[in-house]
Amino acid sequence: EAGVAQSPRYKIIEKRQSVAFWCNPISGHATLYWYQQILGQGPKLLIQFQNNGVVDDSQLPKDRFSAERLKGVDSTLKIQPAKLEDSAVYLCASSFSGGHEDTQYFGPGTRLTVL
Amino acid sequence: GDSVTQMEGPVTLSEEAFLTINCTYTATGYPSLFWYVQYPGEGLQLLLKATKADDKGSNKGFEATYRKETTSFHLEKGSVQVSDSAVYFCASSGAGSYQLTFGKGTKLSVIP
Repeated sequence: EAGVAQSPRYKIIEKRQSVAFWCNPISGHATLYWYQQILGQGPKLLIQFQNNGVVDDSQLPKDRFSAERLKGVDSTLKIQPAKLEDSAVYLCASSFSGGHEDTQYFGPGTRLTVL
Repeated sequence: GDSVTQMEGPVTLSEEAFLTINCTYTATGYPSLFWYVQYPGEGLQLLLKATKADDKGSNKGFEATYRKETTSFHLEKGSVQVSDSAVYFCASSGAGSYQLTFGKGTKLSVIP
């Protein structure tokens, strides 16, 4: 079974530029998550989708971050404009149904450096 | 809101030593509890989980028991190997909100 795919793996940009990350979840998984992991900390949820609808985006900085999940499969996370404090690893995860007992499967992440 | 506290690292052990990484949680209701592991250069992987009180999760020689009375989910392994060197994250998934809340992670280094 293929895992969660993410691209790119690494990205370096200057502040005020824009960047986009892509995620392809495990086939058949209804729930997709984007997390931000700052160095030395645990991942923090940014947004959760159930199929193509948003379940929770309470921690997403909506003035600069946006995300979509068209057709309930792939998802894109965008940052525009980027700030220095956005330097982090962005993790995508998926789970079968999104229940609290469900296991979330993580992709390899995209490491973003903002200069 | 929900929170997870795990012991600060880094932890350095000799091969075959006993490992304990403490984890406590605060949550409304009865959350599911997880340990994830991140090996160098790799993504997060589920190590084990427990979904109700007194459940014991186990995998690859690691164990953790869901203790409701002490709100704890400590990770243990009887004899660590060099290949266990990684960062370990404790996490909870609350009944009220299905997002994972992670601890800060504990870096384990095992030396031969």
